[in-house]
Amino acid sequence: AQSVTQLDSHVSVSEGTPVLLRCNYSSSYSPSLFWYVQHPNKGLQLLLKYTSAATLVKGINGFEAEFKKSETSFHLTKPSAHMSDAAEYFCVVSFPGANNLFFGTGTRLTVIP
Amino acid sequence: EAQVTQNPRYLITVTGKKLTVTCSQNMNHEYMSWYRQDPGLGLRQIYYSMNVEVTDKGDVPEGYKVSRKEKRNFPLILESPSPNQTSLYFCASSPRTGAYNEQFFGPGTRLTVL
Repeated sequence: AQSVTQLDSHVSVSEGTPVLLRCNYSSSYSPSLFWYVQHPNKGLQLLLKYTSAATLVKGINGFEAEFKKSETSFHLTKPSAHMSDAAEYFCVVSFPGANNLFFGTGTRLTVIP
Repeated sequence: EAQVTQNPRYLITVTGKKLTVTCSQNMNHEYMSWYRQDPGLGLRQIYYSMNVEVTDKGDVPEGYKVSRKEKRNFPLILESPSPNQTSLYFCASSPRTGAYNEQFFGPGTRLTVL
């Protein structure tokens, strides 16, 4: 069965410290992987995507994620958190031949001044 | 500006009163989809459409209908809304189907059914 798991429902960091949001997937196939961000009262915006090219993917606003096939993970990182990063983050997976996306349950990031 | 628009953004209604949430995209995308977002559950797909007159059920289609008569529009219809359909709804579009394509999301419609 194919699925995606976000390991933390809530992460809290201090401004200027690193951010790590964890995502694992389960699939028999090579997936496409996405991270989306949702700011309060807004729609979802694509941060970055992995589609079988480089395993280290750079996105907008200083975020990046590394695809690790051996660990079936696609964790999102940022070296230094900014107050504007406070939002909900969704790890999303798509599989070959699929017509839809599979969403994780989301991780709410809080940035403490 | 390339965008997905939804109307209304907020709606409070009563059980059983038919309603339609409109979705429109100006990017000539083939693929469109509706999701609902509930706390702790992430986004779940309701229906999707791969092109005009082609629609299919997602994970949670019960109580919803859709139509795709034109490429740009994909309305979501609740024939007889119930309180368990109180949720935040998102429409999304994508250039085409397939695993690699980013989806573009509308701003959301917050629906409350009393």
